[in-house]
Amino acid sequence: DGGITQSPKYLFRKEGQNVTLSCEQNLNHDAMYWYRQDPGQGLRLIYYSQIVNDFQKGDIAEGYSVSREKKESFPLTVTSAQKNPTAFYLCASSSHGLDTEAFFGQGTRLTVV
Amino acid sequence: DAKTTQPPSMDCAEGRAANLPCNHSTISGNEYVYWYRQIHSQGPQYIIHGLKNNETNEMASLIITEDRKSSTLILPHATLRDTAVYYCIVRLAGPEYGNKLVFGAGTILRVKS
Repeated sequence: DGGITQSPKYLFRKEGQNVTLSCEQNLNHDAMYWYRQDPGQGLRLIYYSQIVNDFQKGDIAEGYSVSREKKESFPLTVTSAQKNPTAFYLCASSSHGLDTEAFFGQGTRLTVV
Repeated sequence: DAKTTQPPSMDCAEGRAANLPCNHSTISGNEYVYWYRQIHSQGPQYIIHGLKNNETNEMASLIITEDRKSSTLILPHATLRDTAVYYCIVRLAGPEYGNKLVFGAGTILRVKS
């Protein structure tokens, strides 16, 4: 089945540790996106990538890093510099163009203790 | 960025039509309006999108005003499973924006029996 997969679904980390969230898609999409969602809030864009080996900061990129070495993969690292990392993280992908829907993964809930 | 404004919550009786409004008064001429919904702790699900014509699919209808400053999502026969947060989103035009989806706070739709 084609789709976008995030893993793990739940993740616990100690404060001060870096953690990497996985996002893989087999939809042959060029563009991929990472969003953060806090309780009762909408989604905020962290980073996006339009093509392999290229990515841009979104609205809340501080404390995060990404890579795009392969078309199908767009991992997100939450670094120790992120002051409030506990949140629900969502990955999405789409083809280029305004007239194409974006597909979302099921999310990773990160809790930092 | 084009922003959207939605009511924070709405109630609808089961079996009746649910009409969810959205204002997007700063939308540009080539930017699409997208609707997604999110059930608690899941990834957003695509519903429908449009540019200036009304659109209909198996899930919903989208009515866009002639001046494109507002739109309405219509779920023709709401069921309890339609209870979710509904997001009206403008997809930003131009390669500098990565065609990203900009989320607002959304509308919590509660379908009641």
